[in-house]
Amino acid sequence: AQTVTQSQPEMSVQEAETVTLSCTYDTSENNYYLFWYKQPPSRQMILVIRQEAYKQQNATENRFSVNFQKAAKSFSLKISDSQLGDTAMYFCACGNSGGSNYKLTFGKGTLLTVNP
Amino acid sequence: EAGVVQSPRYKIIEKKQPVAFWCNPISGHNTLYWYLQNLGQGPELLIRYENEEAVDDSQLPKDRFSAERLKGVDSTLKIQPAELGDSAVYLCASSPGGPGRSYEQYFGPGTRLTVT
Repeated sequence: AQTVTQSQPEMSVQEAETVTLSCTYDTSENNYYLFWYKQPPSRQMILVIRQEAYKQQNATENRFSVNFQKAAKSFSLKISDSQLGDTAMYFCACGNSGGSNYKLTFGKGTLLTVNP
Repeated sequence: EAGVVQSPRYKIIEKKQPVAFWCNPISGHNTLYWYLQNLGQGPELLIRYENEEAVDDSQLPKDRFSAERLKGVDSTLKIQPAELGDSAVYLCASSPGGPGRSYEQYFGPGTRLTVT
């Protein structure tokens, strides 16, 4: 069984500033992936960034980067140069790779508001 | 490329009535997921299909929920009879599956169900 915990229900940041969203997880799998998804108000969920657990290098996608601490089972998301369009719910998720039992387990989400 | 299509987007019904949701995945995606998202929560998997086979339905409340994907393309999720606690967003996602891609999930806009 997998669990994902997001301890920050809400966060806010000023436009152009940097913000970090926290996530911890627990899994018994050796091979797994970690994800951050963004769900804007009344819009569909989209993938922001993913990290393969076997890779030590932290993933980066433009203004989005992660801090993956495997031993601590921590997977935080850093958003640099925050933009108004970044306002959304952010969900951390863990998924085991391959096999027939693949599925994502999501955290409860963090509502991020970017203020002008 | 068209995304995951879901209909209806919104549905309001009275308790004890039946309701059905439809999902058309991205063309070529063999894996299809139905998720339940309660207000302020992350999505929870209800059922996963590989082509027309339901390979993981352990979280589907089978006394009132049913799903089908007869030709391995589009899918229908049904609730009969609906209860007040079924009010939520029902998300459909699809994945191309296969080596190295099974973690990719693309979400539809969801169907927001309100049971009165």
